[in-house]
Amino acid sequence: QQPVQSPQAVILREGEDAVINCSSSKALYSVHWYRQKHGEAPVFLMILLKGGEQKGHEKISASFNEKKQQSSLYLTASQLSYSGTYFCGTELSGNTPLVFGKGTRLSVIA
Amino acid sequence: DTAVSQTPKYLVTQMGNDKSIKCEQNLGHDTMYWYKQDSKKFLKIMFSYNNKELIINETVPNRFSPKSPDKAHLNLHINSLELGDSAVYFCASSQEGRVAGGPSDTQYFGPGTRLTVL
Repeated sequence: QQPVQSPQAVILREGEDAVINCSSSKALYSVHWYRQKHGEAPVFLMILLKGGEQKGHEKISASFNEKKQQSSLYLTASQLSYSGTYFCGTELSGNTPLVFGKGTRLSVIA
Repeated sequence: DTAVSQTPKYLVTQMGNDKSIKCEQNLGHDTMYWYKQDSKKFLKIMFSYNNKELIINETVPNRFSPKSPDKAHLNLHINSLELGDSAVYFCASSQEGRVAGGPSDTQYFGPGTRLTVL
């Protein structure tokens, strides 16, 4: 069951904030966030387990709303280096494979 | 030192040919994966091996055959290549595929192999 990411694309100016959402129609066990810069491999950002915890990675943080079956990735005071495609991957249980969403393309301009 | 490496980086071939992509990881990880990323950037898992044993085999044509000679290597062989096989193929590895019913471990991706079938 592929998660749905929104928005599909977003353009920001340096210093602006953005939120990327990842939703599922089924109960989620875990949500994984990866970033892929153009022409490069995806790189792990963070993992969230059900329980509504929030995690942070520099100025990038994420939350997991178990009731809504949704995770949100927050990018604050964006930098040019944040540009790339952000993927969320979800698991429905501890026995199902990680399934990635279609990605959100983030472009940060000066 | 490259953690997860793939060869070749680019592969251009004719329809109907057979080709292989090699992957090696020097992280000492137990689990390796193959993903296909199409032109729309959709990243889809194809296979997963844990200690040389196949643990995930998603709906992939049987023209695709993974082979793991040891836990540091996972190669992908593709027979009778078709136009729709054109994509970027990523290899990845993780320390453990999964910790006793827990979430999947962090995956480290290789640089990708861009396959173009003409």
